[in-house]
Amino acid sequence: DIQMTQSPSSLSASVGDTVTITCQASQDINNFLSWYQQKPGRAPKLLIYDSSNLETGVPSRFSGSGSGTDFTFTISSLQPEDVATYYCQQYGDLSLSFGGGTKMELK
Amino acid sequence: QVQLGESGGGVVQPGESLTLSCAASGFSFKNYGMHWVRQAPGKGLEWVAFVRFDGDNKYYQDSVKGRFTISRDNSKNTLYLQMTSLRPEDTAVYYCAKIRSSRQWLILASWGQGTLVTVSS
Repeated sequence: DIQMTQSPSSLSASVGDTVTITCQASQDINNFLSWYQQKPGRAPKLLIYDSSNLETGVPSRFSGSGSGTDFTFTISSLQPEDVATYYCQQYGDLSLSFGGGTKMELK
Repeated sequence: QVQLGESGGGVVQPGESLTLSCAASGFSFKNYGMHWVRQAPGKGLEWVAFVRFDGDNKYYQDSVKGRFTISRDNSKNTLYLQMTSLRPEDTAVYYCAKIRSSRQWLILASWGQGTLVTVSS
């Protein structure tokens, strides 16, 4: 099975900041990576798929990049409504797996 | 507008069984594969199972193989997860999720609100 290592596990930033989360796969997954946002008490929401494609309706301040084993997720100009936990998920293998999550908080 | 509504969760004892349902609306259910994903209290996400649009191909996380069965009834627009021999470590919120498209069947595009399963003596 493919293991996903996500960092940091928590992050505190101010409104307007640019924040970056990284995700590393234990083996090459090409660009088969998605990012999800989960607000407290809510279901996850797809933000990005195929490493860098923005899902319909998702604000352009969210972006993703990477291929192979190393991936990056960025929020430019952080907004109060971005307070959430973010997860990466690989689909290079039929046994889907998620990173451990990054809890985003406002300073 | 895609809507997914899970039901059937509850409190059961170890070794018991439970069946979850996911009612779908707002899209052509019979044309989309579906997943189950779970989240233990305060923990991260764990993929559980997938069923193809026609119910023919099914895939499972190793930890639930032989105990859980994913199925669907396209005439009722409903997805199921039959869970047997439940263990305390199966305690979680269980989400159903719709794939993004027929070619993007491993991308979880829409999620339900989840149903809580608690396995405890």
